[in-house]
Amino acid sequence: EVQVVESGGGLVQPGGSLRLSCATSAFSFSNVWMSWVRQAPGKGLEWVASIKEDGSDKFYVDSVKGRFTISRDNAKSSLYLQMSSLRAEDTAVYYCASISMGYWGQGTLVTVS
Amino acid sequence: QAGLTQPPSVSKDLGQTATLTCTGNSNNVGYQGAVWLQQHQGLPPKLLFYRNNHRPSGISERLSASTSGNIASLTIIALQPEDEADYYCSAWDRSLTGWVFGGGTNLTVL
Repeated sequence: EVQVVESGGGLVQPGGSLRLSCATSAFSFSNVWMSWVRQAPGKGLEWVASIKEDGSDKFYVDSVKGRFTISRDNAKSSLYLQMSSLRAEDTAVYYCASISMGYWGQGTLVTVS
Repeated sequence: QAGLTQPPSVSKDLGQTATLTCTGNSNNVGYQGAVWLQQHQGLPPKLLFYRNNHRPSGISERLSASTSGNIASLTIIALQPEDEADYYCSAWDRSLTGWVFGGGTNLTVL
């Protein structure tokens, strides 16, 4: 059974930093694009960042460019999101996902306050 | 970054048919199609259809998806109470080089 488990969320002050991790298993992690998607309280889904299979290319939504960094470790089947200069509007549940393959985690809550 | 357009809400009676639409452009929906996701309150999104309109195993055959040009559609027949949820479409946008999501449609089964 495919497993996608996020961790690292929590309460952080504006301007602070946080690193999210995503551990996966039971699928060929090194062969799929991976993404972070967030959902602010009571709002819809918003794509945050994606990374190619080998980590050679990374893509970000404009609102996080220069502040967030997506990375992956294929040897550990893990995905990461380093977040800095956090703002109140970054408050959301952050999901680790392979959007095209339909693998989603349960999400981790990040609160900036 | 511009997203896909979905009606905010749809209400149908139990047993009826609901068709949800997702409008994009030639750089996203018209390029590689859209995935469809279902989200119940408090739970993570769940894949209903891949971009090729194929259904993953375990998804009810009451659901079907299609694409015509820049518009993706999700049809649910014989609506059941458990179909009440938020439905999202998403597509890769080759111009924006990122995934775009629709605002979601809240489906109410009366």
